[in-house]
Amino acid sequence: AQSVTQLGSHVSVSEGALVLLRCNYSSSVPPYLFWYVQYPNQGLQLLLKYTSAATLVKGINGFEAEFKKSETSFHLTKPSAHMSDAAEYFCAVSDRGSQFYFGTGTSLTVIP
Amino acid sequence: DAGVIQSPRHEVTEMGQEVTLRCKPISGHDYLFWYRQTMMRGLELLIYFNNNVPIDDSGMPEDRFSAKMPNASFSTLKIQPSEPRDSAVYFCASSLTSSDPGELFFGEGSRLTVL
Repeated sequence: AQSVTQLGSHVSVSEGALVLLRCNYSSSVPPYLFWYVQYPNQGLQLLLKYTSAATLVKGINGFEAEFKKSETSFHLTKPSAHMSDAAEYFCAVSDRGSQFYFGTGTSLTVIP
Repeated sequence: DAGVIQSPRHEVTEMGQEVTLRCKPISGHDYLFWYRQTMMRGLELLIYFNNNVPIDDSGMPEDRFSAKMPNASFSTLKIQPSEPRDSAVYFCASSLTSSDPGELFFGEGSRLTVL
């Protein structure tokens, strides 16, 4: 069975500081992993995805995530937070089929 | 492509009324998903279709909820009768499984308020 755990439902960072959002997964098969972002009153948008190619995945808006099989993790990072990064972030795992399993989300606040 | 299109964006209704939410997936996508998002429960999968056929409706909360996909370009989620606890944002998403991987594309959601 597949599942995702996001540690920290709320994260606050200062503008210009490192952003680190944590995601651990459980999967019985080699997974596909995703990070989605949701801005207020909008749907979820894909930030980046891991498909078993490079373990370090670069996404939009300067975000990246590293797949670490030994730690079953797929943490999202950005070197320097911007005010526009304030949003809800969701980690998701797919069993390479039709099913997607989402985490409970992490709300990112950026402090000016 | 215009993306996944949902209507209405906002719906306010009274308890006991019927609510119908609509979704147009991205053309050519063969999977369609309905999700519900609330503060308490987060993002919940209600039902999904493959090639217009419902595959898994185990997430549908109760018999008051029903979903249909009469053709590849249209799906509805109906709540009858509606209750205040149904208040949530309902998202439709579609994907193309022949792509690798089949990432989900979400609509902007339908915000339902049941008074």
